[in-house]
Amino acid sequence: QQQVKQSPQSLIVQKGGISIINCAYENTAFDYFPWYQQFPGKGPALLIAIRPDVSEKKEGRFTISFNKSAKQFSLHIMDSQPGDSATYFCAASNYQLIWGAGTKLIIKP
Amino acid sequence: ETGVTQTPRHLVMGMTNKKSLKCEQHLGHNAMYWYKQSAKKPLELMFVYSLEERVENNSVPSRFSPECPNSSHLFLHLHTLQPEDSALYLCASSQDSAAYNEQFFGPGTRLTVL
Repeated sequence: QQQVKQSPQSLIVQKGGISIINCAYENTAFDYFPWYQQFPGKGPALLIAIRPDVSEKKEGRFTISFNKSAKQFSLHIMDSQPGDSATYFCAASNYQLIWGAGTKLIIKP
Repeated sequence: ETGVTQTPRHLVMGMTNKKSLKCEQHLGHNAMYWYKQSAKKPLELMFVYSLEERVENNSVPSRFSPECPNSSHLFLHLHTLQPEDSALYLCASSQDSAAYNEQFFGPGTRLTVL
C-alpha cells in the first residue's frame, strides 16, 4: 500500500511532442504529490508538485493532472525539447516521501 | 560552495574496507537525508536527521552507520559492505523533515563494492 507505481520505464518523444508519464498509488492518506527531474551526474530536483484539493497544476510547459478517485496522477510536458531529456520521478507522501521507479525520457531532435 | 555537496563523487572499495561518505549543505536547512539509488528502482530512503537527531532509520543494515555532527554536515560510514550495496548514494536537505518540503539533492557518490 506504500508503493507508487510509475510508467513507462522509458519514453522517446519527438521534439515538439507531448510527453506523458503516469503514476498510481494505493494509500488514500497521501496528500502531497511532487515530481522530480534528474539529469545525468546530478541529483533529483523538484519540478512541480500538487496537493489533492486541485485536479491540475501548470507551470510553463509542465502540467500535473490529478485524479483522486482513480488514485492516479500524471506529468505532461508540452512542446517537449531536447533539454527535457532526463529521468523523471513521481513521489507521494503523507509523512514520508514514497518514490516511483523513474522514467527515462529522451526527446529526439 | 552552494547547495548540497558530496564527496567523494566516486568510490571503489573492497568488502573488507572501511570508508566514509561526506555531505555538506549550505542552505541553512534543519533536515538531512541519505538515499540509495539503484537503476530502475525507486529511491530508497535510508536515514533522516532533523536538528542533528536521527528521526528515521528504514531498516538499513548495520554496515551503514550515519553521523550528523551538526546541521550542515552528514556522514555515512561504510564497513564490510556487500557487492549488492553498489549504487549511487544521494544526500539531500530540506527546511525541516516534513514530507511536503522541497528536498535539495547533492550529485551523489557512485559506490562500487568489489
